[in-house]
Amino acid sequence: AQKVTQAQTEISVVEKEDVTLDCVYETRDTTYYLFWYKQPPSGELVFLIRRNSFDEQNEISGRYSWNFQKSTSSFNFTITASQVVDSAVYFCALSGRGNTPLVFGKGTRLSVIA
Amino acid sequence: GAGVSQSPRYKVAKRGQDVALRCDPISGHVSLFWYQQALGQGPEFLTYFQNEAQLDKSGLPSDRFFAERPEGSVSTLKIQRTQQEDSAVYLCASSWGAGVVTEAFFGQGTRLTVV
Repeated sequence: AQKVTQAQTEISVVEKEDVTLDCVYETRDTTYYLFWYKQPPSGELVFLIRRNSFDEQNEISGRYSWNFQKSTSSFNFTITASQVVDSAVYFCALSGRGNTPLVFGKGTRLSVIA
Repeated sequence: GAGVSQSPRYKVAKRGQDVALRCDPISGHVSLFWYQQALGQGPEFLTYFQNEAQLDKSGLPSDRFFAERPEGSVSTLKIQRTQQEDSAVYLCASSWGAGVVTEAFFGQGTRLTVV
């Protein structure tokens, strides 16, 4: 069975601080995909990134960066120089290949205080 | 449209009432998913369509839940004889690929409250 654990329920940081959101996953598949989504107060889930299991290269997009480590089954997300607009719930998710649905973690609520 | 559209945004139903939730996916998207998100939890899968075919309904919690996508575009999630435990946000997502390997785009959801 697939499982995603986001151990941090809530994080609060002061603006301009860096923050890392943890994600640990479990799967028996050799091919799988990892995602991060942002859920602002408006409710829709906003896609941030997708990685496949064969690509462990870390990725940076502006203030966002992702660290994928298969050895520890982790896919952590770092926001550098956080801003108030980053306040949201962030979800890590996992899927297998083909038509398998996303399995989400319980999310981490990030509050960035000005 | 520009994104996935869901209606209504909010629905209050009396226990025992039937409800229908609508999802308009992004035009041309083959795959459509329904998820249920309880308060403070992550979304949980309900059902998946590829065009008009419902390929996976393993997440539907009971036979009171029914989904359809008759023409391969708009989808409706119907809940019969609603119960309080059905209160949640129902999210619809669509993707252009046949499966979630491509990123799924989500709507804003329908918040259902059963009283």
